[in-house]
Amino acid sequence: ETGVTQTPRHLVMGMTNKKSLKCEQHLGHNAMYWYKQSAKKPLELMFVYSLEERVENNSVPSRFSPECPNSSHLFLHLHTLQPEDSALYLCASSPGTSGFYYEQYFGPGTRLTVT
Amino acid sequence: KQEVTQIPAALSVPEGENLVLNCSFTDSAIYNLQWFRQDPGKGLTSLLLIQSSQREQTSGRLNASLDKSSGRSTLYIAASQPGDSATYLCAVREASGSRLTFGEGTQLTVNP
Repeated sequence: ETGVTQTPRHLVMGMTNKKSLKCEQHLGHNAMYWYKQSAKKPLELMFVYSLEERVENNSVPSRFSPECPNSSHLFLHLHTLQPEDSALYLCASSPGTSGFYYEQYFGPGTRLTVT
Repeated sequence: KQEVTQIPAALSVPEGENLVLNCSFTDSAIYNLQWFRQDPGKGLTSLLLIQSSQREQTSGRLNASLDKSSGRSTLYIAASQPGDSATYLCAVREASGSRLTFGEGTQLTVNP
């Protein structure tokens, strides 16, 4: 257990559905991240939040909408997704976003399938 | 744009063998480099973090080295065990911000 939990672990949704992924960290960290891991591709950073403020948006389509209500919780709201959005979505947290020594701790991921 | 490459893409070895996984990156202006392990369908577990000023880090049977000027890192696993079977990912954190750039990983299988 890394102290970062994600729910649900598996999700199947149609292209017209709206769903949300949830991430919670119990480490007292100030920064949280969303990553996408597709088959045969490196992990891609999607969003970075620091102290509940979005500090990075890596050219992600608007059908993915992040929300960070407090430093312990991070959501990814999904709507009108495409089949190519099927992937493992990983959440991570770190003590901060700047500075030399910060490791990122990852959750177990949500396996998303868009039909 | 930073690019991270891992060689080999897959590796199968008998139990007990010592092995080396390779990682290379194109931009040497990094804060640190991190090695992760990922089991099938699971999240990432951090193995070792090497700061840009360091040459190596050790944890148990694992040793990671960093040659920042040449853009290379290696992960050495001693006396491999079947439980080491997983995908090993290398990621570099750029000096300019919070971004971690990942390689595609090396899928390791250790056969009993």
